[in-house]
Parts: sequence; C-alpha cells; structure tokens
Amino acid sequence: DAMVIQNPRYQVTQFGKPVTLSCSQTLNHNVMYWYQQKSSQAPKLLFHYYDKDFNNEADTPDNFQSRRPNTSFCFLDIRSPGLGDAAMYLCATSRDGALYGYTFGSGTRLTVV
Amino acid sequence: EDQVTQSPEALRLQEGESSSLNCSYTVSGLRGLFWYRQDPGKGPEFLFTLYSAGEEKEKERLKATLTKKESFLHITAPKPEDSATYLCAVQAKSGGYQKVTFGTGTKLQVIP
Repeated sequence: DAMVIQNPRYQVTQFGKPVTLSCSQTLNHNVMYWYQQKSSQAPKLLFHYYDKDFNNEADTPDNFQSRRPNTSFCFLDIRSPGLGDAAMYLCATSRDGALYGYTFGSGTRLTVV
Repeated sequence: EDQVTQSPEALRLQEGESSSLNCSYTVSGLRGLFWYRQDPGKGPEFLFTLYSAGEEKEKERLKATLTKKESFLHITAPKPEDSATYLCAVQAKSGGYQKVTFGTGTKLQVIP
C-alpha cells in the first residue's frame, strides 16, 4: 500500500546532541510537510517543501532544518535539541495542495534527556 | 490571525448515543475546512474537506456540516472503534496554499 513512513518511531536524544528524523513516501506526492505536535496541542507547521522549493514558517526556530534530497524522502534535522523540543514530529504529504487532504505518517516521538 | 476552537475538549458517549462535535473558526476568507481523526500515538487520518457554507459530507457514521462560522461533526450511533481525537483545521484564502491551522481536537471515548 502507498504510504508515508517515518523512522524511527521513538527517538531519545541528549540535550544539545544533533538528531535527524526521516520520512519517506510512496505516494509520489509533490508536497511534503513537517509538523510538531506536543501533548494535547494542535499540530504546528514547521516547514514544507513544494517540489524542491523549501518554505519555512516565520516562527520556526533556526534550530530546526530540513532536507529533501528527492521526491520520496524528507529529513528533519534538530541541531541542538532542548527540553522544549520534546514532542511528536509528524511528516505529511499532499498532492499539490492541502485542500486534497494530507496523508500523515505515524510520527516520531522525540524525547530529550 | 486564523483561529480554530474545538469543543468540547473531551466527550464520553455510550455506544449508540449520537452526538456532535463543534469547530468554530475565524479566518479572513475560508478556502477549506478539514476534519481529521487521530488515534493515540499515530498521525492524523484525513476524513473530509468542506469548501463553502451549507456543504455536507458523510462517511459511515460521520457527517460533517459547515456554516460561515462553524462546522459540526455529527456522529450517529457511535461504536467503540470511533474512539479517537477528532481534529478540525482551516485554510484561509489569504494564506499560502499550504498553510493550514489546526485546532486542539476533541477526544471522543465511546463506551460499550
């Protein structure tokens, strides 16, 4: 089945130690998103790629970066994780626009110790 | 700034007890309103997009409706497998085509 796969499902990292989360998709969707969701809060858009074009949200901290080497893969890099970055990180894809609905991965639960 | 408010925060229903979830929104021109279902520890699953006031969409026991200020997700004769958090989100015409604002969700529990 076509899907969005995130690895790892759970990630524990040390305070200040760089960490990379990955997302792959078999849907051939041209738009990929990264969302941050903290407990009982709304998902918050960090950035998205429309094809190869990177779009950063104005309030996304510089500590968060992303790479999309090809259509299928997208990475979220957190350069120096702080305790406040502990959250569920959700990757989503869509065809052209969000109006068609996102397909989300199962998420990566990040713990910072 | 686009705002989405969902109520109630949590809802507990007996199996078969129909009810509605509310999503009120403030946007400068609505491009689309979305409903998603999220199971614990998983990513949200897309349910519906509504585009204009008066529109309705159905899927199994779920029916979503839209007015100019709010949307309702009606759940008819719910079953325990309908237990999940239901998220509402909006996209404004003034924002980019990829900017979607989510609410914090309604956590639904259906008891057998």
